[in-house]
Amino acid sequence: EVQLQQSGAELVRPGTSVKLSCKVSGDTITAYYMHFVKQRPGQGLEWIGRIDPEDDSTKYAEKFKNKATLTADTSSNTAYLKLSSLTSEDTATYFCTTGTFDYWGQGVMVTVSS
Amino acid sequence: DNVLPQSPTTMAASPGEKVTITCHASSSGIYMNWHQQKSGTSPKLWIYDTSKLASGVPDRFSGSGSGTSYSLTINTMETEDAATYYCQQCCSTPYTFGAGTKLELK
Repeated sequence: EVQLQQSGAELVRPGTSVKLSCKVSGDTITAYYMHFVKQRPGQGLEWIGRIDPEDDSTKYAEKFKNKATLTADTSSNTAYLKLSSLTSEDTATYFCTTGTFDYWGQGVMVTVSS
Repeated sequence: DNVLPQSPTTMAASPGEKVTITCHASSSGIYMNWHQQKSGTSPKLWIYDTSKLASGVPDRFSGSGSGTSYSLTINTMETEDAATYYCQQCCSTPYTFGAGTKLELK
């Protein structure tokens, strides 16, 4: 069975960056697009973007184009989300999910606070 | 990249009651996914390609729609169905989610 294991919770300072990981087990990461989704506390789901680990091509939602960077490492079967210039608006849980949205990571809480 | 409108925003249903949640896509000719999320857990794909039930989803659930109007229906509400349901446009970018419908047990 495919499983997605995300990195641990982060407490980060405003203005800095953070890089979150999502490791795929049970299959090769190149079999899927990998998506990342944001959920602020008590709020709905926002699609951030997706990466095709086969060729590293990416697509982003317009509002995340200057905020998020998706990468993938096929040797470790891992996708990454880097968030830059962090503000309190970036405090949220971030999920990774496979291309057909049928497998989800457990989510990682990012708290931006000084 | 706007959030898709869903209605209602919240609702309560009694066991055995029929429930319908609607979602309006930003363009036509798309497929719609639906996800179920319970508090403190990851979303689960519930319905995909507008009308196909994901693995393990009870057949009291159904999905339908075309054009820009889509719906998720629960034929007879059960206790375990209390959750938040999100629609999601699929399968080209942007994969915009709906605002969510919180379904509570009455």
